[in-house]
Amino acid sequence: GNSVTQMEGPVTLSEEAFLTINCTYTATGYPSLFWYVQYPGEGLQLLLKATKADDKGSNKGFEATYRKETTSFHLEKGSVQVSDSAVYFCALSKPGNQFYFGTGTSLTVIP
Amino acid sequence: KAGVTQTPRYLIKTRGQQVTLSCSPISGHRSVSWYQQTPGQGLQFLFEYFSETQRNKGNFPGRFSGRQFSNSRSEMNVSTLELGDSALYLCASSLAGGPGEQYFGPGTRLTVT
Repeated sequence: GNSVTQMEGPVTLSEEAFLTINCTYTATGYPSLFWYVQYPGEGLQLLLKATKADDKGSNKGFEATYRKETTSFHLEKGSVQVSDSAVYFCALSKPGNQFYFGTGTSLTVIP
Repeated sequence: KAGVTQTPRYLIKTRGQQVTLSCSPISGHRSVSWYQQTPGQGLQFLFEYFSETQRNKGNFPGRFSGRQFSNSRSEMNVSTLELGDSALYLCASSLAGGPGEQYFGPGTRLTVT
C-alpha cells in the first residue's frame, strides 16, 4: 500500500542551526511528494513539492529532493529561525488525488 | 483569491448527537477532501469529492458521510457522535484531477462531551 514515514519529534534546535527532517515513502508508481507546515491554531500550508524523481522543491529556505532510489524526500534548511517553529508533514499523492500524510514532526526553535 | 473557508470554527456537541460541518473551496477548485486530525492518530483521510461524486474514501465508519454541491461547496456529517470523534476536521481543496497540491482551510475544532 501507500504510506509515508517521517522522523519522530519533537525536534528542538537553536536559532541558525541546520535542520533535517527525514521522510520516506512507500508507493506504487510515481507519486508526487509534498511538505506541508502547520502553525499553531491554523490549517496546513503547502511548503514545497516535487512531482518526479530528482526534482528539488524549495521555498523560504527549505529544500527537499525527490530520491526514488532511496524512496525519500528529506526536508532541510540551512539556518532555522524562531518563526520556523511549527509542525511539518510529509505527504504523497497518487493519481486520483488521494493524499497520504506522515504523522508530523514538531519543530521548536529557541533563540 | 479567497482561501478555503470552514464553518463553524469551533463546535461543542454531546455524545449521540449529530453534526454537520461546512467547507467552501477556493473558487475554481472542484476537488474537496476531508481529514480528521487528532494528537494520537495524526492526520487521517476521510473522503474526497470531485464534481459532486465521492472519488476516494478513507477507513472510517459509516457514521461519517459527506456530500458536495454543484458549486463545489462540501459538507461533512457525523451521526451518533462518540467521545473519540473529538478532533480538528480539516478541509482541503484542489483543482480538478490530481496529483496537484491541496490548499487547507483553518479547520473546525469539534469537542464531544
